[in-house]
Amino acid sequence: NAGVTQTPKFQVLKTGQSMTLQCAQDMNHNSMYWYRQDPGMGLRLIYYSASEGTTDKGEVPNGYNVSRLNKREFSLRLESAAPSQTSVYFCASRDGGTYGYTFGSGTRLTVV
Amino acid sequence: EDKVVQSPLSLVVHEGDTVTLNCSYEVTNFRSLLWYKQEKKAPTFLFMLTSSGIEKKSGRLSSILDKKELSSILNITATQTGDSAIYLCAVEAYGGAQKLVFGQGTRLTINP
Repeated sequence: NAGVTQTPKFQVLKTGQSMTLQCAQDMNHNSMYWYRQDPGMGLRLIYYSASEGTTDKGEVPNGYNVSRLNKREFSLRLESAAPSQTSVYFCASRDGGTYGYTFGSGTRLTVV
Repeated sequence: EDKVVQSPLSLVVHEGDTVTLNCSYEVTNFRSLLWYKQEKKAPTFLFMLTSSGIEKKSGRLSSILDKKELSSILNITATQTGDSAIYLCAVEAYGGAQKLVFGQGTRLTINP
């Protein structure tokens, strides 16, 4: 049982480049989330998807787009990367009936 | 806007000491408060506290929710070097899409 799988684990981008972070869960969870973590700031919500076909902005959505491709997959896209987007990105999913949030192992992104 | 504040932000103690980590929150329609431990990668779940479950204990770790004071504490007794980590507090609210709002985290270092 893989849980939540994120790819890639590490990435270095040049300013202005684009990329997509992939996330997939195999627990049949309805809700999925993208967080970023910066030193001393905990985790901040970028976007979330309460169910397949819906997406909503979180606390820090600027510079990002998301796609809920199907129930399993939720991707995060940076169209034009900026150094301020250097961070560790976590994907999570949740079972709608309980408290069970499960996190992926993270993607460390550096924008130079 | 929902808000979670943790204190202290950083704490260094000796092995065997007892520590208390604090979390205060402001949230509309409080549903639950969750504690996570984060070592090198993804946050791992410790406790969930709700109106119907305000005290939890697991081994040397315990947590209490004070709904009147809108706060929670996480206690770790007889600390070990393996307890060194970032401890994250998060709250979830009823209504709308369910999502976690995190505090900044407390970085705990246990010295031998």
